[in-house]
Amino acid sequence: SAVISQKPSRDICQRGTSLTIQCQVDSQVTMMFWYRQQPGQSLTLIATANQGSEATYESGFVIDKFPISRPNLTFSTLTVSNMSPEDSSIYLCSVEGTGRSDTQYFGPGTRLTVL
Amino acid sequence: GENVEQHPSTLSVQEGDSAVIKCTYSDSASNYFPWYKQELGKGPQLIIDIRSNVGEKKDQRIAVTLNKTAKHFSLHITETQPEDSAVYFCAASMYDMRFGAGTRLTVKP
Repeated sequence: SAVISQKPSRDICQRGTSLTIQCQVDSQVTMMFWYRQQPGQSLTLIATANQGSEATYESGFVIDKFPISRPNLTFSTLTVSNMSPEDSSIYLCSVEGTGRSDTQYFGPGTRLTVL
Repeated sequence: GENVEQHPSTLSVQEGDSAVIKCTYSDSASNYFPWYKQELGKGPQLIIDIRSNVGEKKDQRIAVTLNKTAKHFSLHITETQPEDSAVYFCAASMYDMRFGAGTRLTVKP
C-alpha cells in the first residue's frame, strides 16, 4: 500500500481564515480523495481529485468553500476557506491502491479546530 | 445512491471473546466491501476486504462474510485483544465508496 503523509497534522484557526492541507503520496496514483470526518462521525467524501482536471465535488460541498489542487500524481491540497466552528473536523486524504482501483488507503488526517 | 447501515454502534467484549459487527447495504450493484480500523488520532487502516464473487475471507483472527442475496456483510474478530480496541468502519463500493457509521469496539483486559 502507498505511504501517505498530511500536513499539518493538526491546527487551531480563527473564524474567517483559511487553511490549506497538503497530502503527499510516495508513489504515483491516479485517484486521490478528500474526506471529512466530523467528531465521532463517519467519513464523508468531499471531492475526488484527478490530475490535470478539476476536482469532482459531492453534493453539499462546493469549490468556493473547499478548493482543491492536484498539480501532479503524488500531491494534492485541500483548502478550507472562510472557516467557521462548524468546519472543525478531521480532514483525510485517501488514494486508490496500485493495481486495485477500488481499494482506498488513507492518510493520517488533519485535525482542524476553528474558534 | 448507496446507503450503508452498521450495527452495533458500540461493542464491549472481554479479552479472548469474539466480536461481530454487521453491515447492510442498499445497492445490489455494489461489489467491493472493505473494513477499516481507526485508532484514536490516526487515519482509517484497511484490515480486510471482500469482493462480491466471494462469500467468506479470513486473515488470521479476522474474517469477513458476505451474503449478496440479503445484502449484508459482517466482520468477525476472534480471540480479541486489548489492541483490537478501536472504531471499525464498513464500506460498500461500486463506483463511490460509502461508509457505515462506525462501531466503537472496546476489549476489556
